[in-house]
Amino acid sequence: DIVMTQSPDSLAVSLGERATINCKSSQSVSHSSNNKNYVAWYQQKPGQPPKLLISWASTRESGVPDRFSGSGSGTDFTLTISSLQSEDVAVYYCQQYYSTPRTFGQGTKVEIK
Amino acid sequence: QVQLVQSGAEVKKPGASVKVSCKASGYTFTTYDINWVRQATGQGLEWMGWMNPNRGNTGYAQKFQGRVTMTRNTSISTAYMELSSLRSEDTAVYYCARGPTTFDAFDIWGQGTMVTVSS
Repeated sequence: DIVMTQSPDSLAVSLGERATINCKSSQSVSHSSNNKNYVAWYQQKPGQPPKLLISWASTRESGVPDRFSGSGSGTDFTLTISSLQSEDVAVYYCQQYYSTPRTFGQGTKVEIK
Repeated sequence: QVQLVQSGAEVKKPGASVKVSCKASGYTFTTYDINWVRQATGQGLEWMGWMNPNRGNTGYAQKFQGRVTMTRNTSISTAYMELSSLRSEDTAVYYCARGPTTFDAFDIWGQGTMVTVSS
């Protein structure tokens, strides 16, 4: 199984400041045949299901604010919130869909400092 | 609008089975995979398996092999996940989630179904 490890487990950021979450996979989740990275990022607020923010490591879903961006390839990926807003308080998960079982990172809790 | 609506909360005794439903609307049910993911209280997300509603073929995480069964009724656009031999560790919120293809992220999620296993 591919293990997805996020860092940090939690972070507190001031409103308007940048938040950066890292995700490392135990093996490459990039397909050489199509150059795609099979990584998604989800946001989960209390009492709600996860919401897909970014797929293919860097493709933002329709309606997701452009302050959210994803980057990385191979085994190292990053989710960046460029200017944290109060509504961004949530737990964020990375996921690989390169192979089964699909696996998620343990989650990163983002709070306001 | 596109949505997945799940059945209500369940309370089961250890050793029993539970069957959770997931009704799709707003899109053609047979053209997207359905995945099942669970989340124990305060914990992370755990993928259980997937089903192709068109063909009915499935793939299960090794951890749940022999205990989980995923089925569908295409006439009512509904997917089902049945988990048997329940134990206390199965207490969790169970989500269905749509995947455009087998190798895609999960773009639409159900609201979740709380399953409590308690004697």
